[in-house]
Amino acid sequence: DAGVTQSPTHLIKTRGQHVTLRCSPISGHKSVSWYQQVLGQGPQFIFQYYEKEERGRGNFPDRFSARQFPNYSSELNVNALLLGDSALYLCASSLPPNLYSNTGELFFGEGSRLTVL
Amino acid sequence: AQKVTQAQTEISVVEKEDVTLDCVYETRDTTYYLFWYKQPPSGELVFLIRRNSFDEQNEISGRYSWNFQKSTSSFNFTITASQVVDSAVYFCALSEARQAGTALIFGKGTTLSVSS
Repeated sequence: DAGVTQSPTHLIKTRGQHVTLRCSPISGHKSVSWYQQVLGQGPQFIFQYYEKEERGRGNFPDRFSARQFPNYSSELNVNALLLGDSALYLCASSLPPNLYSNTGELFFGEGSRLTVL
Repeated sequence: AQKVTQAQTEISVVEKEDVTLDCVYETRDTTYYLFWYKQPPSGELVFLIRRNSFDEQNEISGRYSWNFQKSTSSFNFTITASQVVDSAVYFCALSEARQAGTALIFGKGTTLSVSS
């Protein structure tokens, strides 16, 4: 079975541009989360979507937005890029949260490495 | 506030040595989950273990073992007889079960280098 797939794997943008990153979850997974990992740091939570609705949002500016499609794939959009947005953007999918726990095992993709010049 | 601290930035060992990666966490919740992930150079985070706050039993999986101690808010990870393939960045993470969504709070990671 295919794991979490992300595209593009690498991209270079200039300040002020816009970027769209894409993620396809593992088949059967309905929840997708996005994380930003700056070099030398741990991943930071950006968004979680479940059944096309936003379920959680981290401490990121409104320049960051996301959506989930009926097939459970997801896009992360970043507007007005800054140098500080250069990072590895990781997508993770999981089975839906259950009644007793919101926390299940997350399966991560290999990420999209964004460089902003 | 939630926080995960991995005080060891880098560790270097020689093959077959045992190595322990430390993780200390902070949370106000009584119900929470702790995780360890491995990140090889490819970038993908590989799940190693999840532990809930009510289960303090230590766990062993092959060469890997985990020591969870609520009294010291620690969740340490030991690799026995390390191998070159264990070289990676290891992250400890925390999630509070009451929060909507599955947001994980990660530590800054410990880079483990195992030489032959």
